[in-house]
Amino acid sequence: AQSVTQLGSHVSVSEGALVLLRCNYSSSVPPYLFWYVQYPNQGLQLLLKYTTGATLVKGINGFEAEFKKSETSFHLTKPSAHMSDAAEYFCAVKGTGGFKTIFGAGTRLFVKA
Amino acid sequence: SQTIHQWPATLVQPVGSPLSLECTVEGTSNPNLYWYRQAAGRGLQLLFYSVGIGQISSEVPQNLSASRPQDRQFILSSKKLLLSDSGFYLCAWSPGTPTSGELFFGEGSRLTVL
Repeated sequence: AQSVTQLGSHVSVSEGALVLLRCNYSSSVPPYLFWYVQYPNQGLQLLLKYTTGATLVKGINGFEAEFKKSETSFHLTKPSAHMSDAAEYFCAVKGTGGFKTIFGAGTRLFVKA
Repeated sequence: SQTIHQWPATLVQPVGSPLSLECTVEGTSNPNLYWYRQAAGRGLQLLFYSVGIGQISSEVPQNLSASRPQDRQFILSSKKLLLSDSGFYLCAWSPGTPTSGELFFGEGSRLTVL
């Protein structure tokens, strides 16, 4: 079984500051890990994913995440926040060979001018 | 390219009325199809998924059902809506062949039950 915990339902940063959104997962099999972004009243869009290989994954809009197996973490970062980054972010896990993707509760990112 | 369409976008229904939300995918074949529900302030809850025509897996016992009458069509239904059925419903697909399984989402259907 898989599960995802996102630490902090709301995160607020100033424009230009570092963005750090935390995600921890549990999985009984090697996981595939994802970060999705959701803008108001829209569906989710993939930001980045980890499947195998390099543990530092780069995504769209300057985001990246690092898979740390020993810590069962997949935290999302961006060096410099932009106003357009304000949205809700979801971490998700899928077991290899399975069909189900399990999502965390989401973290809403606020960016202050 | 692949696209996913979901409708209606917004729906207001009285308690006890029926529900039908439709989702179609274009530009691919044999997709895996999913229905998720997003309640206010909460994450996404997987409701149903389907790996083929007529094959439906239910994740949560509830007032809803799903059907897949065609390869690229996925329907979410209810015979009698409850207040607790209110939420944002998202249809998604992923490639049917073994892949990393990233999901491609529709724009969502917001259901308000009064």
